[in-house]
Amino acid sequence: EPEVTQTPSHQVTQMGQEVILRCVPISNHLYFYWYRQILGQKVEFLVSFYNNEISEKSEIFDDQFSVERPDGSNFTLKIRSTKLEDSAMYFCASSDRARDLRGAFFGQGTRLTVV
Amino acid sequence: KNQVEQSPQSLIILEGKNCTLQCNYTVSPFSNLRWYKQDTGRGPVSLTIMTFSENTKSNGRYTATLDADTKQSSLHITASQLSDSASYICVVSLGSSYKLIFGSGTRLLVRP
Repeated sequence: EPEVTQTPSHQVTQMGQEVILRCVPISNHLYFYWYRQILGQKVEFLVSFYNNEISEKSEIFDDQFSVERPDGSNFTLKIRSTKLEDSAMYFCASSDRARDLRGAFFGQGTRLTVV
Repeated sequence: KNQVEQSPQSLIILEGKNCTLQCNYTVSPFSNLRWYKQDTGRGPVSLTIMTFSENTKSNGRYTATLDADTKQSSLHITASQLSDSASYICVVSLGSSYKLIFGSGTRLLVRP
């Protein structure tokens, strides 16, 4: 079964450093998403991406965050200058339709720890 | 405010028993409602997805119901197995948006 893959599975970084989280969505999907889950809290929407541009972003997704689809397969989330409160599990998701009528497929997540 | 509330917060049942998890939502405009299973430290996996016009959907031992009038949904698990131990998350998709609104989940523990 096709799956969304994320790397690395765990990243530890120092406060103020830049991190790039990588995702390979399912190959025929066109809509891509990043979500995050702070330990013990709900999963929260960060951003959606379609046709090489951001479709929607949440208030969490400030100027420190950016997304990119550098080639035909990867989808990345960059945090420019990490803060302690950025520590969370980051999930990439993809779907083949705008309204996720078959449900978005989630990756296994990258656990980001900012120290 | 768009919100999804779930109950109970946690639940312990014996293997082989049935259980029902509840979800209430105040999301508008509504597009669809999904139930996801999330194992600890893993990504959510979709169990069912229902649109406004559907009021029940099954996936093996999982049966979800939706009452769009009262804005309630339930997930019924039949003949529970140890592998059902996980968090079950109710998620509502906004009709005007690409965004998914997540509930806090019900943490289910199935004991032998």
